[in-house]
Amino acid sequence: DTEVTQTPKHLVMGMTNKKSLKCEQHMGHRAMYWYKQKAKKPPELMFVYSYEKLSINESVPSRFSPECPNSSLLNLHLHALQPEDSALYLCASSQDQGGTQYFGPGTRLLVL
Amino acid sequence: AQTVTQSQPEMSVQEAETVTLSCTYDTSESDYYLFWYKQPPSRQMILVIRQEAYKQQNATENRFSVNFQKAAKSFSLKISDSQLGDAAMYFCALYWSIRGSRLTFGEGTQLTVNP
Repeated sequence: DTEVTQTPKHLVMGMTNKKSLKCEQHMGHRAMYWYKQKAKKPPELMFVYSYEKLSINESVPSRFSPECPNSSLLNLHLHALQPEDSALYLCASSQDQGGTQYFGPGTRLLVL
Repeated sequence: AQTVTQSQPEMSVQEAETVTLSCTYDTSESDYYLFWYKQPPSRQMILVIRQEAYKQQNATENRFSVNFQKAAKSFSLKISDSQLGDAAMYFCALYWSIRGSRLTFGEGTQLTVNP
């Protein structure tokens, strides 16, 4: 089973809202990732968690705040986003940080 | 730094025919992995095939196979007996197996399958 789940599938939020994206995997993977993807472009890495510790932060604005409550869950807290943050947000996981990444279906975010 | 180049932004193929998508890469590492991911209109990123650099044998997954030329730093994907469901954006990606490395994607090739 190589399933990564993400909720919600779609999210519309205003620039003053606070919302969270959730990602879950039950494959025993110890590395989890957040990517941002604009239409017709490859995914851009945002954050990496390895063994529940933040391993990589690709200089992402502080209005994006990741959290890894346990080895199966990864959240992305959103606050005061800008319209240019509208994108597909993909979560992925791998056995460890050197492993093959498996992606979730993504959350389509629209910021108005 | 490592780079991945997909020189074909768009390709098309007739149903049941064979198509080859090109990918070249550059890395100074000797231990790395190469991947092809498929992203259909649903935008789910699906792993198609994986190749370990130390393996000389080309990877195969059903109708999908790769031509891995390590010296030339080339990693092309061949899709045989193309099906309508193969229509998608295909991304070539490179990863080297040390802590702190990142998956580097090419710009993608949009594949259309014509009935």
